[in-house]
Amino acid sequence: EAQVTQNPRYLITVTGKKLTVTCSQNMNHEYMSWYRQDPGLGLRQIYYSMNVEVTDKGDVPEGYKVSRKEKRNFPLILESPSPNQTSLYFCASSKSGSEYGLDFFREQFFGPGTRLTVL
Amino acid sequence: AQSVTQPDIHITVSEGASLELRCNYSYGATPYLFWYVQSPGQGLQLLLKYFSGDTLVQGIKGFEAEFKRSQSSFNLRKPSVHWSDAAEYFCAVNTGNQFYFGTGTSLTVIP
Repeated sequence: EAQVTQNPRYLITVTGKKLTVTCSQNMNHEYMSWYRQDPGLGLRQIYYSMNVEVTDKGDVPEGYKVSRKEKRNFPLILESPSPNQTSLYFCASSKSGSEYGLDFFREQFFGPGTRLTVL
Repeated sequence: AQSVTQPDIHITVSEGASLELRCNYSYGATPYLFWYVQSPGQGLQLLLKYFSGDTLVQGIKGFEAEFKRSQSSFNLRKPSVHWSDAAEYFCAVNTGNQFYFGTGTSLTVIP
């Protein structure tokens, strides 16, 4: 089954304790991305990766790190979590496309989400 | 800067009534447009997408959307709402490397 998986699904931690949220996709997608969802703010992109070893900042990258060593995996790292990072996190993946000489990325497939609470 | 605006935070409709959810985007070129739905406690599911061609696109669950370049809009419609359509709806734009989402519209369906 084609899917994006995230682990853990729920996590309660304390300020400053490093954590990693894993994300894996089995669709051979080039593009992967992390979002956080907060009430009234919708989804905001944290980091994205257009392919292996290629990552870039989204709109809200502060306090987060990512890596893309393999095509299927895109972990999100919070090295020193703070309470303002309490949120619902989604990983997504997408296949690349090209039209009229322009590259773009097709619809994203989302993971089930990780609810993170930082005390 | 690119942005997506969903002006309606919350909409309530009666079951069987028609529905239109508004989405406006700000982007210099023609973007690639999406509508997603999120049921309570769930992830996001793609309803429909527009890349090019016919500006009226059909999606799943009886939804459709129309791209209007002159108005920078991509409004979502459904002719007859079902109680199971109660959810949060997000409009999104892909502008090359990044995706931008609106803040969402919460839909309540009353019997």
